[in-house]
Amino acid sequence: DIQMTQSPSSVSASVGDTVSITCRASQGFSTWLAWYQQKPGKAPKLLIYPASTLQSGVPSRFRGSGSGTDFTLTISSLQPEDFATYYCQQANSFPPTFGGGTKVEVK
Amino acid sequence: QITLKESGPPLVKPTQTLTLTCTLSGFSVTTSGVGVGWIRQPPGKALEWLALIYWDDDKRYSPSLKSRLTITKDTSKNQVVLTMTNMDPVDTATYYCAHRLRRGGLGSFDYWGQGALVTVSS
Repeated sequence: DIQMTQSPSSVSASVGDTVSITCRASQGFSTWLAWYQQKPGKAPKLLIYPASTLQSGVPSRFRGSGSGTDFTLTISSLQPEDFATYYCQQANSFPPTFGGGTKVEVK
Repeated sequence: QITLKESGPPLVKPTQTLTLTCTLSGFSVTTSGVGVGWIRQPPGKALEWLALIYWDDDKRYSPSLKSRLTITKDTSKNQVVLTMTNMDPVDTATYYCAHRLRRGGLGSFDYWGQGALVTVSS
């Protein structure tokens, strides 16, 4: 299985800040990586797949980048509705695996 | 409009078998390219992929849970069913079904059900 390690596990930020979340894979692959946002009590929402393609309706302040073993989700000009937990998921090989999550909290 | 909805018992006893049903709307489980997956999330923890079924009845399972899982589809009802045997308290989680986005690779999940919380306790 490909292990996905996210960092940091949590980050404190303010509205207007830029936040970056990293996902590192235990073995390299192309761009088959997804990013999700999850709010408490809700199902995850797909933001980006593959690696840098924004899902329809997702604001352009979200940006995905990377390939190989290192992937990054960058949120520019953080908005109040962006405080949530974010997960990466590799879609290169079975089984699909998720990172441990990064909680973006209010500073 | 694509929607998915999970249904099943909120409480199961240890050693029992869990059966969860995912009712699909807005798409057919028999349409070429379609995949429906199950993902779970223990309280306060990360997401864990469990199983996936494709339109052609190809099935994939988490290696660590493969011996306990069965995924099937009921084309007449447009539903996907997941059974998990020998339930244990560590299986307490919210179980989600989700539609696979077919955009290369294995795909991601673009539409999710609301989730079904299943507690395993005697």
